[in-house]
Amino acid sequence: SAVISQKPSRDICQRGTSLTIQCQVDSQVTMMFWYRQQPGQSLTLIATANQGSEATYESGFVIDKFPISRPNLTFSTLTVSNMSPEDSSIYLCSVDKGAGSTEAFFGQGTRLTVV
Amino acid sequence: AQSVTQLDSQVPVFEEAPVELRCNYSSSVSVYLFWYVQYPNQGLQLLLKYLSGSTLVKGINGFEAEFNKSQTSFHLRKPSVHISDTAEYFCAVSDRLRSGGYQKVTFGTGTKLQVIP
Repeated sequence: SAVISQKPSRDICQRGTSLTIQCQVDSQVTMMFWYRQQPGQSLTLIATANQGSEATYESGFVIDKFPISRPNLTFSTLTVSNMSPEDSSIYLCSVDKGAGSTEAFFGQGTRLTVV
Repeated sequence: AQSVTQLDSQVPVFEEAPVELRCNYSSSVSVYLFWYVQYPNQGLQLLLKYLSGSTLVKGINGFEAEFNKSQTSFHLRKPSVHISDTAEYFCAVSDRLRSGGYQKVTFGTGTKLQVIP
């Protein structure tokens, strides 16, 4: 299994500002993922972060809006930039433990409200 | 490409009654199947998963699911629900082949289970 800690657990931010969300894993993992869960909707993959390389973004998400860092095998950050009320969502970090792993593990999520 | 359909967005059920949450999927490759639960203001917790073997899978909290390949379904069931089962339930599939070196998980839109006292 994997224990994932996300910070902050929730925040209320002013529009136009940026928030950086941290994801810490208790073991080294190859792939980390960032999801967005907008109110009343399912999880949508934002990007995949592999240590030592640029993150790969899904259609509809761009690096300027959601820059991601992956400095080592246990840590990643997602920044939500120039926020607007439409960015109000739960943001979840997830990890894949590599070959032989059969499930994804999730953090508790960051509940972001933009006012 | 793969997709997951959860036909019921909300399911109200009385306490101690049985419940079935429906899930259908489509995929061009072999998949793993999952049910996750999300309690209010919390992240996702794995309820159960189907990898291979017996088509009836038992999970935590008394839940079980049955994989039906011909109907491409993976319905979740519980014979008697409790108030504490009130949550949102997500069906998900991932690619067995680990395309790109990792499992890409596709989620359904979720079913909110409301247990009525």
